[in-house]
Amino acid sequence: DAGITQSPRHKVTETGTPVTLRCHQTENHRYMYWYRQDPGHGLRLIHYSYGVKDTDKGEVSDGYSVSRSKTEDFLLTLESATSSQTSVYFCAISGLRDNEQYFGPGTRLTVT
Amino acid sequence: DAKTTQPPSMDCAEGRAANLPCNHSTISGNEYVYWYRQIHSQGPQYIIHGLKNNETNEMASLIITEDRKSSTLILPHATLRDTAVYYCIVRLYSGNTPLVFGKGTRLSVIA
Repeated sequence: DAGITQSPRHKVTETGTPVTLRCHQTENHRYMYWYRQDPGHGLRLIHYSYGVKDTDKGEVSDGYSVSRSKTEDFLLTLESATSSQTSVYFCAISGLRDNEQYFGPGTRLTVT
Repeated sequence: DAKTTQPPSMDCAEGRAANLPCNHSTISGNEYVYWYRQIHSQGPQYIIHGLKNNETNEMASLIITEDRKSSTLILPHATLRDTAVYYCIVRLYSGNTPLVFGKGTRLSVIA
């Protein structure tokens, strides 16, 4: 395993509530990513970070914000969860010279 | 949008070679072909990548055509644990470029 954990692993929440997902790494990698995966789709990029306090939007960033105050943690926040954000969320990391991205185990979020 | 085209599903007998095709006719000269797989809702796992030469590692072989418009991932002796969705991805040679996933090929290895 590449030293990536995600928390929580499962969460059920109600529409309109705020939700924060955490990705934690022990590899000291510079780059971190949040993807979501829905049935019938491959993974789609939400946001990514290329360093502490440096982030950028991905393909499906609407309704999501991120923060990275230290190298090891990358937080994904849904300010007001909607049913369309029901999904499996994957975090990934990569180093400066890596050819690979390493993925976490995923967080299954259900918004009712 | 993904820059690759893959068949949605394939079957392979256990112990036989699994050959997974991928078309990437718009690939540019500085883009590599990467393969990842995702086993039953786990996070995707890197398999192999290449530019123009054939590549082999402990998991698989990658054959890229001379014009680089298509490639084939080969699992030489497929096992039941190779059942997964396989993604072919074209990207610049950089560990930090975000991955753009298509829908992949669902490989079922049958006993």
